[in-house]
Amino acid sequence: QQQVKQSPQSLIVQKGGISIINCAYENTAFDYFPWYQQFPGKGPALLIAIRPDVSEKKEGRFTISFNKSAKQFSLHIMDSQPGDSATYFCAASSQTGANNLFFGTGTRLTVIP
Amino acid sequence: NAGVTQTPKFQVLKTGQSMTLQCAQDMNHNSMYWYRQDPGMGLRLIYYSASEGTTDKGEVPNGYNVSRLNKREFSLRLESAAPSQTSVYFCASGNRQGDTQYFGPGTRLTVL
Repeated sequence: QQQVKQSPQSLIVQKGGISIINCAYENTAFDYFPWYQQFPGKGPALLIAIRPDVSEKKEGRFTISFNKSAKQFSLHIMDSQPGDSATYFCAASSQTGANNLFFGTGTRLTVIP
Repeated sequence: NAGVTQTPKFQVLKTGQSMTLQCAQDMNHNSMYWYRQDPGMGLRLIYYSASEGTTDKGEVPNGYNVSRLNKREFSLRLESAAPSQTSVYFCASGNRQGDTQYFGPGTRLTVL
């Protein structure tokens, strides 16, 4: 059973456009929601993370929006650039329990020049 | 700091052969993890070690064994490789379960 559901599987965006990737979860105990970025041939790297005490977190062109009541969170990439082309994974965990991170299945983003 | 290192980077095995994937971290993290990544499947947890001296099964442990050699090192062993184990393997570490994980560069394994 997939603990975190991610969509879309792939996404093509024009340079300068907005990329949006969505994730949903069921476990209300989850209280930590990171996003990872993975370039081809590399390991995933933490991009940005949010905790449920805030509804939005912004770091540069990357923003996480969090909807606790809907149990959904999303990554927005503003002014998308070809260098953003990568696979993005959302994840969730409960930091108060002995739980590991649960990952979504990933979204392959391609930004066309 | 090197972060998380993995060896080897690439490996080709024949069915039935055995091998050990090595992982080391220099961030003094308590928890370490082994994942496999297959197209369309995301990251699937094979085994993890929440702290030195403990190991537990993840989502897909069959065909694998692990050893937490010390706080820095966590190895993954394939006793009798099968073509279904062709994958990219990632090691990761973190301060504690559920916390941010830091990934190594991966090992690309092909089993013929």
